[in-house]
Amino acid sequence: GAGVSQSPSNKVTEKGKDVELRCDPISGHTALYWYRQSLGQGLEFLIYFQGNSAPDKSGLPSDRFSAERTGGSVSTLTIQRTQQEDSAVYLCASSLVVGGSSYNSPLHFGNGTRLTVT
Amino acid sequence: DAKTTQPPSMDCAEGRAANLPCNHSTISGNEYVYWYRQIHSQGPQYIIHGLKNNETNEMASLIITEDRKSSTLILPHATLRDTAVYYCIVRVVGSGNQFYFGTGTSLTVIP
Repeated sequence: GAGVSQSPSNKVTEKGKDVELRCDPISGHTALYWYRQSLGQGLEFLIYFQGNSAPDKSGLPSDRFSAERTGGSVSTLTIQRTQQEDSAVYLCASSLVVGGSSYNSPLHFGNGTRLTVT
Repeated sequence: DAKTTQPPSMDCAEGRAANLPCNHSTISGNEYVYWYRQIHSQGPQYIIHGLKNNETNEMASLIITEDRKSSTLILPHATLRDTAVYYCIVRVVGSGNQFYFGTGTSLTVIP
């Protein structure tokens, strides 16, 4: 079946502009994550959605960053008034949380959106 | 959260076994060990995970020490396509965002 899909794959924007990044998770996956990866670095957690629960926004670096997930499926990460330090690859992942069990399924990642702020 | 430490880089000859170590000395009893790898310009790819028993799948084997403070990912016959950054992560069962990546081990398979 289809994996996690992210669009666009590349985005170049001018400093100060707003951008929207889209993530289509695997069908049926109730958990959705956004991560950011700067050049040569590991993955930085941004935000997590699980079902109808309030999202965990503890990783968002500033109030310029926000995300929503409509209908429990597609998610959009929005960065307002972009800065050059926002340049990175933004990765989305989804997983199937198995209720009633102590076993959680692994995250499945998309190939990311490479954001360049000039 | 349990944290992990990995060597920054390793080399392995093609066709030989690649053994990638990970220390997670502060791991809790309900924390799984996950391994992912990332090839340039792609998203991380799931490899394997385990709690306390050794695990094997078509990609790799995971050996977890009895005290669970360290583990080793084994790629039995490394190929050039296994060149990637390998991440060892501990994840709390039932948690949401407790899935933190470090900087991983950059494995280079040498022809």
